Amino acid sequence: DQQVKQNSPSLSVQEGRISILNCDYTNSMFDYFLWYKKYPAEGPTFLISISSIKDKNEDGRFTVFLNKSAKHLSLHIVPSQPGDSAVYFCAATSPNTGNQFYFGTGTSLTVIP
Amino acid sequence: EAGVAQSPRYKIIEKRQSVAFWCNPISGHATLYWYQQILGQGPKLLIQFQNNGVVDDSQLPKDRFSAERLKGVDSTLKIQPAKLEDSAVYLCASSRNRFLSTDTQYFGPGTRLTVL
Repeated sequence: DQQVKQNSPSLSVQEGRISILNCDYTNSMFDYFLWYKKYPAEGPTFLISISSIKDKNEDGRFTVFLNKSAKHLSLHIVPSQPGDSAVYFCAATSPNTGNQFYFGTGTSLTVIP
Repeated sequence: EAGVAQSPRYKIIEKRQSVAFWCNPISGHATLYWYQQILGQGPKLLIQFQNNGVVDDSQLPKDRFSAERLKGVDSTLKIQPAKLEDSAVYLCASSRNRFLSTDTQYFGPGTRLTVL
């Protein structure tokens, strides 16, 4: 049972434009959400997180939005850069799940110069 | 701060052989995780340690997989005997403490296992 879903396997964006990556979850008990970025042959790298008490968290070019009622979060990257080309995973967790992380299947972002 | 270290980076074995992976977490991190990531999928938790005790191994195929974290620092994951479907990237991650509400996991580079 996939509790965290990323329905877009891939996304292509022109350099300088906005990239929007989406993630949906089914378990309403999740209260902490994270985005990881993964380059080929490397492990996932933590990017940004958001707690369920917030609806937005910003870090430089990266902003994560959380819509609890829709069980949806999104990652905005603006402006997009070629170095942002990677696979992005969202993850969700909760003390009610033993703080186990549930990962989506990833979205491969390509930023075209 | 040094990151999570894993070795080897790549391993090719034949089915029914044994293999072991090693992980050294970030210094001071109490919680250590082993994940299996099959191509095209997200990481799937295999086992979670808090210090040197197992917290969750519900998704570990215990007939062939084993893991230990002696002294609450380094950890090894073993597969014996390997099957073709074990071909995957094995990721180790660590975090300060799983009981923290905003605990963040940091991943190593992974070991890519190919079973022929």
